Amino acid sequence: GQNIDQPTEMTATEGAIVQINCTYQTSGFNGLFWYQQHAGEAPTFLSYNVLDGLEEKGRFSSFLSRSKGYSYLLLKELQMKDSASYLCAVEDSNYQLIWGAGTKLIIKP
Amino acid sequence: IAGITQAPTSQILAAGRRMTLRCTQDMRHNAMYWYRQDLGLGLRLIHYSNTAGTTGKGEVPDGYSVSRANTDDFPLTLASAVPSQTSVYFCASSHGGLAGGGNEQFFGPGTRLTVL
Repeated sequence: GQNIDQPTEMTATEGAIVQINCTYQTSGFNGLFWYQQHAGEAPTFLSYNVLDGLEEKGRFSSFLSRSKGYSYLLLKELQMKDSASYLCAVEDSNYQLIWGAGTKLIIKP
Repeated sequence: IAGITQAPTSQILAAGRRMTLRCTQDMRHNAMYWYRQDLGLGLRLIHYSNTAGTTGKGEVPDGYSVSRANTDDFPLTLASAVPSQTSVYFCASSHGGLAGGGNEQFFGPGTRLTVL
């Protein structure tokens, strides 16, 4: 079966760094997405990885290892507004997105 | 209209009633999707459409139907609502029929549906 695993919840301190992991087992692989979702709002796109390695976008970076079925999202210089759920999604061989349940990130002052 | 809109924002519905959730995008995206999001579960695909005139079944299609008469609109219909269909429903769209190549999906604000 297809499976995306992420931690349910994480807590971090304002100004710190946090790494959110995602492991996957899917029928094929055509790329991995990270989305941010604030409570009561729609998901918004953060990053996309299809090749191994690190993609950096300002305070956010995303890493992919296809051989290990593993990705992480790295958030630096955490701000209170980063409190949200972070969703990992893999595009499978049918070009459909398979979604993880999301990681709720709580930022404390 | 800017982006993708959904209506209604929320709805309380009696079991057995018919309900259509509306979704409209003005980005001229080819592909559109309907998801439901339940606490503790990831987004689950209900139905999708790669282009106007075509639709396909996702992971959880039972009890739902869709149509894609034109590029902009993608309504989702619950023929006879049941309490297990209580959920938050998100419509999304993307440029191509395939979500790959960094071709991200853009989401509407969601419809919160309660079936009693």
